Amino acid sequence: GAGVSQSPSNKVTEKGKDVELRCDPISGHTALYWYRQRLGQGLEFLIYFQGNSAPDKSGLPSDRFSAERTGESVSTLTIQRTQQEDSAVYLCASSRSTSPQQYFGPGTRLTVL
Amino acid sequence: AQSVTQPDIHITVSEGASLELRCNYSYGATPYLFWYVQSPGQGLQLLLKYFSGDTLVQGIKGFEAEFKRSQSSFNLRKPSVHWSDAAEYFCAMYTGTASKLTFGTGTRLQVTL
Repeated sequence: GAGVSQSPSNKVTEKGKDVELRCDPISGHTALYWYRQRLGQGLEFLIYFQGNSAPDKSGLPSDRFSAERTGESVSTLTIQRTQQEDSAVYLCASSRSTSPQQYFGPGTRLTVL
Repeated sequence: AQSVTQPDIHITVSEGASLELRCNYSYGATPYLFWYVQSPGQGLQLLLKYFSGDTLVQGIKGFEAEFKRSQSSFNLRKPSVHWSDAAEYFCAMYTGTASKLTFGTGTRLQVTL
């Protein structure tokens, strides 16, 4: 079946612009996660959605970052007023509500000039 | 605090040689443990996982890992490395107390011919 998809695959933007990144989870997966991977580093947790519960936003690095998810479908991660330190690969993952195993998308590489 | 440590940032092995990548975790109980592989420009692919039971787990591509509770370790092994194994390897844990994966910083594997 289809895996997790993300778009765009690459995004180049200018400092100060807003960007939106999209994630399509695996059908039937109620949990959705966003992670950030800076060059040469591991993955940092950003935000977690589970069904209709309030999201866990504990990993968002600043108020310039926000995310939405409609029901159990698509999620968008928005970064406002981008800064050069936001340059990273943003990875989305999904899982069944009762499983700790997460399935990852290919990521969006964001470059802020 | 919960954490995952991968002590080796970069490892080089010859093709056909054996491989062991180290992973240690810090958590008060037994977590769920994972190894992921990331090829350049790609997302994360799950190699294997440990939830409970047999402490030696087999994964894809000929990899195996052994959970050692006494050492809080989950080292990844392969008896004979192939050039296509060159990639970055991430160890991760899931505890359930925080609904996210906690990743190590990764080990980059280089394979010489």
